[in-house]
Amino acid sequence: EAQVTQNPRYLITVTGKKLTVTCSQNMNHEYMSWYRQDPGLGLRQIYYSMNVEVTDKGDVPEGYKVSRKEKRNFPLILESPSPNQTSLYFCASSSQPHSNQPQHFGDGTRLSIL
Amino acid sequence: QKEVEQNSGPLSVPEGAIASLNCTYSDRGSQSFFWYRQYSGKSPELIMFIYSNGDKEDGRFTAQLNKASQYVSLLIRDSQPSDSATYLCAVPSSTGNQFYFGTGTSLTVIP
Repeated sequence: EAQVTQNPRYLITVTGKKLTVTCSQNMNHEYMSWYRQDPGLGLRQIYYSMNVEVTDKGDVPEGYKVSRKEKRNFPLILESPSPNQTSLYFCASSSQPHSNQPQHFGDGTRLSIL
Repeated sequence: QKEVEQNSGPLSVPEGAIASLNCTYSDRGSQSFFWYRQYSGKSPELIMFIYSNGDKEDGRFTAQLNKASQYVSLLIRDSQPSDSATYLCAVPSSTGNQFYFGTGTSLTVIP
């Protein structure tokens, strides 16, 4: 089954404790992206990757890191999480190395930073 | 000015009516336009995309695009209670790198 898989689905942690949210897709997609969704603000792009080893900042990259060492994986790293990073996070992928194709979303990760 | 703007609603329509959802975008060079549906607590799912001016129909859904006015809309005919969700308009940048979403319009279909 074609899918984007995120882990964990839910996480409650404390300020300053490094965490990684994994994202993996099995569709051989070139483009991958991370979003956060907050009430009233909609989905905002954090980082995106056009291909392996190519990543760039979206609209809200502060406090986040990403890497794209393999085509299928695109982890999101919070080196020192803070309460303002409490949010619902989505990973997404699309087939072409640009964003003019529909994106397929993972099920989401709900992060609570205390 | 936001890249993509939608009326947040909520929009309520009776079952069987036509629901009309609107979206405007700021990047005149954008080439493709997407509508996603998102149920509460779930991930967005693609329901329509459109690349050319005019209308595109898929079942009960019709997407309409007017590039001159930088306006895209979604019509849902014969609305059903299962259509109750938040509808997100999404527009890639003209460079094709970034993806911008509107804040979504909440639709409730009343049985």
